[in-house]
Amino acid sequence: EDKVVQSPLSLVVHEGDTVTLNCSYEVTNFRSLLWYKQEKKAPTFLFMLTSSGIEKKSGRLSSILDKKELFSILNITATQTGDSAVYLCAVLNYGGATNKLIFGTGTLLAVQP
Amino acid sequence: DAGVTQSPTHLIKTRGQQVTLRCSPKSGHDTVSWYQQALGQGPQFIFQYYEEEERQRGNFPDRFSGHQFPNYSSELNVNALLLGDSALYLCASSSQGSGANVLTFGAGSRLTVL
Repeated sequence: EDKVVQSPLSLVVHEGDTVTLNCSYEVTNFRSLLWYKQEKKAPTFLFMLTSSGIEKKSGRLSSILDKKELFSILNITATQTGDSAVYLCAVLNYGGATNKLIFGTGTLLAVQP
Repeated sequence: DAGVTQSPTHLIKTRGQQVTLRCSPKSGHDTVSWYQQALGQGPQFIFQYYEEEERQRGNFPDRFSGHQFPNYSSELNVNALLLGDSALYLCASSSQGSGANVLTFGAGSRLTVL
């Protein structure tokens, strides 16, 4: 059965800390791995990773994929209270004519002032 | 450029009733997927529509059905509601022409079943 596992489930840090969120997966017909940030309702897209070892960066956020070990990490440096959210990892599974996302349960990040 | 819009934002139903949720995809997108997100869980794939046909379906009973219209908008219907159907229902759109890799999500419809 396809599955995506995220850790930790939740964490609390202080502003300025650096955090690392983990995502491991066992998914057939892997196409890519995506990270989303969910604050209130709509998940917003952060990164899509397709190739191993190539770091994607956007400001204080970065992510990398290891397709051999089947995991990805999302790093956030110099955290701010606005980073508080649920971070979702999802694997895009190619099912022939269509793609679907298989999500983990998410990591709830709380950044305290 | 409007993103994905969903309606209604919130609704309350009782067990046994039926509900219809609506979604308009992002401009330029032709594929609509529906996800169910229970509290504290990640979204679960329900089904995907492209060219007005259901192309793939997740592990959901037949009480869940959908439709896609010629303008690419979509509806999700749930019959004989159960308490366990209470969740945030997310619609996501994408474009087959660009490989349908990155999905854009709407803000969701929060369904509460009493």
